[in-house]
Amino acid sequence: DAKTTQPPSMDCAEGRAANLPCNHSTISGNEYVYWYRQIHSQGPQYIIHGLKNNETNEMASLIITEDRKSSTLILPHATLRDTAVYYCIVRPRTLQGGSEKLVFGKGTKLTVNP
Amino acid sequence: GAGVSQSPSNKVTEKGKDVELRCDPISGHTALYWYRQSLGQGLEFLIYFQGNSAPDKSGLPSDRFSAERTGGSVSTLTIQRTQQEDSAVYLCASSLVGNTEAFFGQGTRLTVV
Repeated sequence: DAKTTQPPSMDCAEGRAANLPCNHSTISGNEYVYWYRQIHSQGPQYIIHGLKNNETNEMASLIITEDRKSSTLILPHATLRDTAVYYCIVRPRTLQGGSEKLVFGKGTKLTVNP
Repeated sequence: GAGVSQSPSNKVTEKGKDVELRCDPISGHTALYWYRQSLGQGLEFLIYFQGNSAPDKSGLPSDRFSAERTGGSVSTLTIQRTQQEDSAVYLCASSLVGNTEAFFGQGTRLTVV
């Protein structure tokens, strides 16, 4: 079962910042927060991930609260091409550094309007 | 290629036939995942490979589903005696060992008629 809660849908105006919230109140200390998105008819695309510090890359910023129970993905200047379903996922890191499966919930359908 | 490659991109099969879906991961990626996505639904985990072994097969829905990986590279997902409820997009992803991002292919759209 997904360990995250996201709003089912959000709207954003083109050129404005899109702030997508995610609750993960049962997150444990060895679990990372990952964000993926899926544009219609395509495979999911990695956006960003973090453990406890805020992260920024060329696509987005990830803000994680101090208690790590929630996070926000920020798309600073949303474009029409950012319309997609956005998935927030918590993923454990194994002791051996191996990869664990990503458990996708229902995500947030973001619609960027012109 | 630079990304995860899946073949075929589309497959239509008759109910009761067996199908094989292929995934070519990114070179050097030791972790490989299979997911499926039914129309309008979320992604459902099927199986995870680390090298040639599958430490997590918990998502395979029945014994009609099996997967193998050879040489730590190509993986094949086999569905025997296909049923209409098997119709979905089957997605493959790969990643390096460790908490790195997984890269997904474009999927194989399976239609059982």
